[in-house]
Amino acid sequence: DTGVSQDPRHKITKRGQNVTFRCDPISEHNRLYWYRQTLGQGPEFLTYFQNEAQLEKSRLLSDRFSAERPKGSFSTLEIQRTEQGDSAMYLCASSFTTDTQYFGPGTRLTVL
Amino acid sequence: AQSVTQPDIHITVSEGASLELRCNYSYGATPYLFWYVQSPGQGLQLLLKYFSGDTLVQGIKGFEAEFKRSQSSFNLRKPSVHWSDAAEYFCAVGGGTNAGKSTFGDGTTLTVKP
Repeated sequence: DTGVSQDPRHKITKRGQNVTFRCDPISEHNRLYWYRQTLGQGPEFLTYFQNEAQLEKSRLLSDRFSAERPKGSFSTLEIQRTEQGDSAMYLCASSFTTDTQYFGPGTRLTVL
Repeated sequence: AQSVTQPDIHITVSEGASLELRCNYSYGATPYLFWYVQSPGQGLQLLLKYFSGDTLVQGIKGFEAEFKRSQSSFNLRKPSVHWSDAAEYFCAVGGGTNAGKSTFGDGTTLTVKP
C-alpha cells in the first residue's frame, strides 16, 4: 500500500492552455474522488467514480472540466481553456466503497 | 444538503496546553464524521472518524473527538499540544451509502506558542 499518488505536484500554465492531472488511487480502492481547494477554504467536491463509472458531478464542474477513469484504476482530470480562477490545489482521494477517503498530496495549479 | 461549520478560523495555544477545535454539522441522516489535518502544501491526513457506536472516538497523534447528536457537533480535543501539531484542521461530514462525497468546513488554523 503506497498511498494515493498525484502527478504532477505543481503545474504552471498560461491562461487558455489545457492541463491534465493524474491520480493513482490505493490499489484495492474502488472509489475515486476529485476535490478542489482554494486558499483559506476547505476542499470542495468535484466528482467521483465507482470503478470506471462517474457517479456524481458537482455543479462546480463546468464544461471545461472532464474526468475519466477508463479502467477503474487511475483517473485523469482535464481542464480545457484554463482561466485564472482555476488556480487551486486539486486533490484526489480514494476509498473502498463508502469507507474512509484517503487523500493524495494534491496538484497545485497556477494559471498566469 | 449537508454542511459543516468550523467557527474558529484561527486558534493559538501554548505548547502543553489543552486544545479543543469546534465543528458543527448539518446532515439529514446519521452522519459519517471525520477530522483531517493538513500541513502547508500537503494533502490531508485522517486523524479520526466516527461512523457509529461509541461517541468518543480516539485517533492518531493523541487526538480524540466526541459526537454529540443533540448539538450536531463533533469537536476535536487534545489534552497536551505539541509544537508539531501546528497545522490546519478540517472537519468533514459524509453520507455513507447515500453520498460518497464528503463536505468540508473551511478549516481552523492552529498556531502553537513555545
